[in-house]
Amino acid sequence: KQEVTQIPAALSVPEGENLVLNCSFTDSAIYNLQWFRQDPGKGLTSLLLIQSSQREQTSGRLNASLDKSSGRSTLYIAASQPGDSATYLCAVTYNQGGKLIFGQGTELSVKP
Amino acid sequence: DADVTQTPRNRITKTGKRIMLECSQTKGHDRMYWYRQDPGLGLRLIYYSFDVKDINKGEISDGYSVSRQAQAKFSLSLESAIPNQTALYFCATSPPPGGRTDTQYFGPGTRLTVL
Repeated sequence: KQEVTQIPAALSVPEGENLVLNCSFTDSAIYNLQWFRQDPGKGLTSLLLIQSSQREQTSGRLNASLDKSSGRSTLYIAASQPGDSATYLCAVTYNQGGKLIFGQGTELSVKP
Repeated sequence: DADVTQTPRNRITKTGKRIMLECSQTKGHDRMYWYRQDPGLGLRLIYYSFDVKDINKGEISDGYSVSRQAQAKFSLSLESAIPNQTALYFCATSPPPGGRTDTQYFGPGTRLTVL
């Protein structure tokens, strides 16, 4: 069964810290992997998308890496801010335009 | 204005009632999806539609039905609501595959409570 797991389920850090969120997937034959941010009452927003042929993607203070062979991805957030507090979800697809399979999410709290 | 809207945003109902959740989008996408989110379980796909005449079951379609009234509208119905259908429901849309962006765009969610 194709599954996605995110660890930890929740994380609390002081403002300014660099942090890493983890995502693992059981079937490594992914087409792409995405990281989403979920804010209460505002749905999900796509942060970064990594194609299976890529190793990483960067956007501002965010960097996502992909290691297909080991079935892992990480989301690195540099110099965290209270505005980064949200739930972060990882999702994979196994073909172009295919269904998203989501992890359970990591709830991040950045304390001022 | 939001590209993907959902109504209602919150709903409390009783066991056995019929409930309809509505989704509208202004992105011009053919592909639309309904998900539910439960604590600790992430998002799971209920139904999806790749165009007005196409409806497909997702991972957890039992107890649900959908209607694609137009390209911009996709409704989810619970024919006879039960308490374990209490969840956060999301609608999403996506462009055709292979374009510049291969992602889905989500609505704000509907929080449904079945008593």
